[in-house]
Amino acid sequence: GQNIDQPTEMTATEGAIVQINCTYQTSGFNGLFWYQQHAGEAPTFLSYNVLDGLEEKGRFSSFLSRSKGYSYLLLKELQMKDSASYLCAVPSGGSYIPTFGRGTSLIVHP
Amino acid sequence: GAVVSQHPSWVICKSGTSVKIECRSLDFQATTMFWYRQFPKQSLMLMATSNEGSKATYEQGVEKDKFLINHASLTLSTLTVTSAHPEDSSFYICSATWDLTSDTQYFGPGTRLTVL
Repeated sequence: GQNIDQPTEMTATEGAIVQINCTYQTSGFNGLFWYQQHAGEAPTFLSYNVLDGLEEKGRFSSFLSRSKGYSYLLLKELQMKDSASYLCAVPSGGSYIPTFGRGTSLIVHP
Repeated sequence: GAVVSQHPSWVICKSGTSVKIECRSLDFQATTMFWYRQFPKQSLMLMATSNEGSKATYEQGVEKDKFLINHASLTLSTLTVTSAHPEDSSFYICSATWDLTSDTQYFGPGTRLTVL
């Protein structure tokens, strides 16, 4: 099994920067995923990290440290539409099928 | 590309009836499809993994006789909730991939099931 831990809820102001952290424990690491999920909708893929470091993709960046079992998702220039749940997901035990964390509900206010 | 559809998007049924949910990959061949269940404010819980032409692999605690999965073609998988009860009310999401070792999984839009 594995543990994936991320904050339950975060709030931020439109235009600001927010960092959503995720810690995990797993054996046979095969990468870490971040997904965005709006209420009542299916998750959409944001990023996949398998090597240490920061990967930037537009306003969203994702960081991984395998030795620390730690990742974060960085959202810049926040927009109201970024209000959603952000799911950290890690495949377990050497498989490629990710297990999802509970998700972090991000509320962006004006 | 990589579009996955689900039908129906929502369904309301009486307790004791069976409900079938379809998951289709529209523009790629999905060798593997996954079925998830998500309760309000909870994470996605994997129910089963299905590979085309073979029996589904169910996660621990998921009743295979209650949640029947068929993956008869490379573009279609179905989940049938048999003898549904109110506690089965949930958001059911499928995802599909052609190769999970080299690509991500693509999620369908989900099906909201309400059992009265």
